[in-house]
Amino acid sequence: AQRVTQPEKLLSVFKGAPVELKCNYSYSGSPELFWYVQYSRQRLQLLLRHISRESIKGFTADLNKGETSFHLKKPFAQEEDSAMYYCALSGRSGGSNYKLTFGKGTLLTVNP
Amino acid sequence: ETGVTQSPTHLIKTRGQQVTLRCSSQSGHNTVSWYQQALGQGPQFIFQYYREEENGRGNFPPRFSGLQFPNYSSELNVNALELDDSALYLCASSFDPGTQETQYFGPGTRLLVL
Repeated sequence: AQRVTQPEKLLSVFKGAPVELKCNYSYSGSPELFWYVQYSRQRLQLLLRHISRESIKGFTADLNKGETSFHLKKPFAQEEDSAMYYCALSGRSGGSNYKLTFGKGTLLTVNP
Repeated sequence: ETGVTQSPTHLIKTRGQQVTLRCSSQSGHNTVSWYQQALGQGPQFIFQYYREEENGRGNFPPRFSGLQFPNYSSELNVNALELDDSALYLCASSFDPGTQETQYFGPGTRLLVL
């Protein structure tokens, strides 16, 4: 079975402060991890994925297989980062295909 | 490049009725996955369609069914609606179901069952 845990439902920081959104996973195979973001009144969209190792909008995430974590970090939060963030794992769906398993999400609020 | 579209945007039904939701995949994508997102929860995998056949299913009863058409668009059908079916239904498209590639999401259909 595959599982994604985001322990914080809500996270509030001030503009310019560092932010870290936590994500832990459980999966017996080789995981591919994603962070999706949903801004107010917009669709769910990809923020970044583990394999690309890119930094998007100043966010980075490192896959730690020992701790089974994929925490999302940004050194200086901006007000426009306020959104709902979902961590997701791509794993086998019992056959030859892959499905996404999502955490419950963390609502990030960046205060001025 | 055309993104994923879904229709309708909102829908209200009563318990016991049937509903059909529609999804057009992103240009160039041949795989559609459907997810249910209940209030306060992350999206939950319902099933996936590839080459017009169901290609994997989550923990949802058979009254949740689907179709995929030759143009790769897809429908989600739910029979005998229950109050707990009230949720946001998302579809996502991708190119190859056999890889862990990115799935691109539509805006969703919000279903309310009274």
